[in-house]
Amino acid sequence: AQSVTQLDSQVPVFEEAPVELRCNYSSSVSVYLFWYVQYPNQGLQLLLKYLSGSTLVKGINGFEAEFNKSQTSFHLRKPSVHISDTAEYFCAVSPNTGNQFYFGTGTSLTVIP
Amino acid sequence: GAVVSQHPSWVICKSGTSVKIECRSLDFQATTMFWYRQFPKQSLMLMATSNEGSKATYEQGVEKDKFLINHASLTLSTLTVTSAHPEDSSFYICSARDGGRGYEQYFGPGTRLTVT
Repeated sequence: AQSVTQLDSQVPVFEEAPVELRCNYSSSVSVYLFWYVQYPNQGLQLLLKYLSGSTLVKGINGFEAEFNKSQTSFHLRKPSVHISDTAEYFCAVSPNTGNQFYFGTGTSLTVIP
Repeated sequence: GAVVSQHPSWVICKSGTSVKIECRSLDFQATTMFWYRQFPKQSLMLMATSNEGSKATYEQGVEKDKFLINHASLTLSTLTVTSAHPEDSSFYICSARDGGRGYEQYFGPGTRLTVT
């Protein structure tokens, strides 16, 4: 079975400051890892994904994440946030043997001017 | 590419009526589609997995007779909430997987259902 833990439910950060949103997972099989962003009353937009290869993954809007297999983590980072980054962020895993996605409970990022 | 649409984007219905939500993949063939439910300030909960031409697979605790899923073509899946009640009010999101593009799921914009 798979599970995803997002340790921080809310993260306030000042504009232009760096941010890290934490994600840990557990799985008995190899997984693919994803970060999605959701703006109010909208669907999910893919930020980035890790399927294989380099453990440092760069995504859209200046976000990046690093897959750490030993720590079973896939933390999302951005060196300088903007007001427009205020949104809900979801980490998700998908076993490489199946279709299903398992989502974390989400982290609400609020960028303070 | 890889766009998924949902219709309607929001709907209000009276208790006891049925509501149909459509999920379409606009520029690819979706062999598998997924239906999620999201309560306010919460994560997405997978309700069911829908494969074209076959019966949907429902997650534990999801009433298949209440949430009817049909995946009649490679570009369309529908979710019908039958005999809706206020507790069915939620944000319903579908996603679609293009088997030719790997394991990524493409999400629709969601449908806000309010049952009065």
